[in-house]
Amino acid sequence: KNQVEQSPQSLIILEGKNCTLQCNYTVSPFSNLRWYKQDTGRGPVSLTIMTFSENTKSNGRYTATLDADTKQSSLHITASQLSDSASYICVVSDNYGQNFVFGPGTRLSALP
Amino acid sequence: NAGVMQNPRHLVRRRGQEARLRCSPMKGHSHVYWYRQLPEEGLKFMVYLQKENIIDESGMPKERFSAEFPKEGPSILRIQQVVRGDSAAYFCASSPAGQFRVQYFGAGTRLSVL
Repeated sequence: KNQVEQSPQSLIILEGKNCTLQCNYTVSPFSNLRWYKQDTGRGPVSLTIMTFSENTKSNGRYTATLDADTKQSSLHITASQLSDSASYICVVSDNYGQNFVFGPGTRLSALP
Repeated sequence: NAGVMQNPRHLVRRRGQEARLRCSPMKGHSHVYWYRQLPEEGLKFMVYLQKENIIDESGMPKERFSAEFPKEGPSILRIQQVVRGDSAAYFCASSPAGQFRVQYFGAGTRLSVL
């Protein structure tokens, strides 16, 4: 069964600190992995998208890594800001690109 | 280029009524996806449509729920005879054709069933 798991479920971080969110998946065959940010009451917004051959991708203070062998990804947030408070969702697409399997998300709270 | 537009943003219905949720994809996008999100939970896939075709409806309840994406006009998610358990946020996403399609999400419709 295709599944995406994320950890931790929730995370509290002080403003200015770094943090790393984890994503493990069993989706096969694999096409690409995306990280989304969802602010409360809003729709998800894409942060990064990585294919099989990519092992790191950055978008500002967000850096995603992918290990296709171990089927793991991480999202590293540098120098967190209060506006980083949101849910971060890992989404994996299968080889045909038609199926998107969503993880449950990690809820991040950045405090002053 | 406007983003994915969903309306209404909030919808209140009494049990037994019908709810119609609309989604206008981004210009040039021919793929539409509907998701449901319960409070404090992740997004759950419901249905994937291309123009005039349902590609995958494996996440949609067999009864009371239907979706369409006509040749002209927005995609519609229709819920008949709503029950309290239908209360949720319903998100629509659209994407262009191609293998590595990025999904762009609308702001969602929050359905409350009284």
